[in-house]
Amino acid sequence: IAGITQAPTSQILAAGRRMTLRCTQDMRHNAMYWYRQDLGLGLRLIHYSNTAGTTGKGEVPDGYSVSRANTDDFPLTLASAVPSQTSVYFCASSDSQGGADTQYFGPGTRLTVL
Amino acid sequence: GQNIDQPTEMTATEGAIVQINCTYQTSGFNGLFWYQQHAGEAPTFLSYNVLDGLEEKGRFSSFLSRSKGYSYLLLKELQMKDSASYLCALQGGDYKLSFGAGTTVTVRA
Repeated sequence: IAGITQAPTSQILAAGRRMTLRCTQDMRHNAMYWYRQDLGLGLRLIHYSNTAGTTGKGEVPDGYSVSRANTDDFPLTLASAVPSQTSVYFCASSDSQGGADTQYFGPGTRLTVL
Repeated sequence: GQNIDQPTEMTATEGAIVQINCTYQTSGFNGLFWYQQHAGEAPTFLSYNVLDGLEEKGRFSSFLSRSKGYSYLLLKELQMKDSASYLCALQGGDYKLSFGAGTTVTVRA
């Protein structure tokens, strides 16, 4: 069982280009999340999905969009990348059945926008 | 906002004990998580406190005091592999997590 996979591992992107970061989980978790991690700022929530077919905005959603067509996949799209979107992006999932609802993280995508 | 504060860096000697504090200002939350993150890797779950008091898991313990707005992570018998960042996160009523900036612990021989 792989858990959560993300692709690509890293990417250098020209400003203005469109980019989709992929995230797939095989744990049948209901909820999925996208975070960005920047030095000194910690992890910040971009978008989330409580269940397939629904999405919501997190703390820093501007410039990003997501979709949740099925339980396993939760892609994050940058429609027109800007240098301030240079960051490490983590996808996470949780069972969302009450209790601790622990989030489990993917390995991350390091994105550089030039 | 949650205003979650952690020290930026801590250094300790192999075999010693280190306590990482996390203070917060919020009107209410479900619970508090601690995650470990090695450089260049994903955060991994360490502990979850929902009630006041101490939760012990081997060499790691986590404490929560809701009335004081305070938690700490205690790392005992430090090993070189414990060099990592430790992230404090509050779980809100909607089950979303708000993270502190993290504390980088360096273990020296």
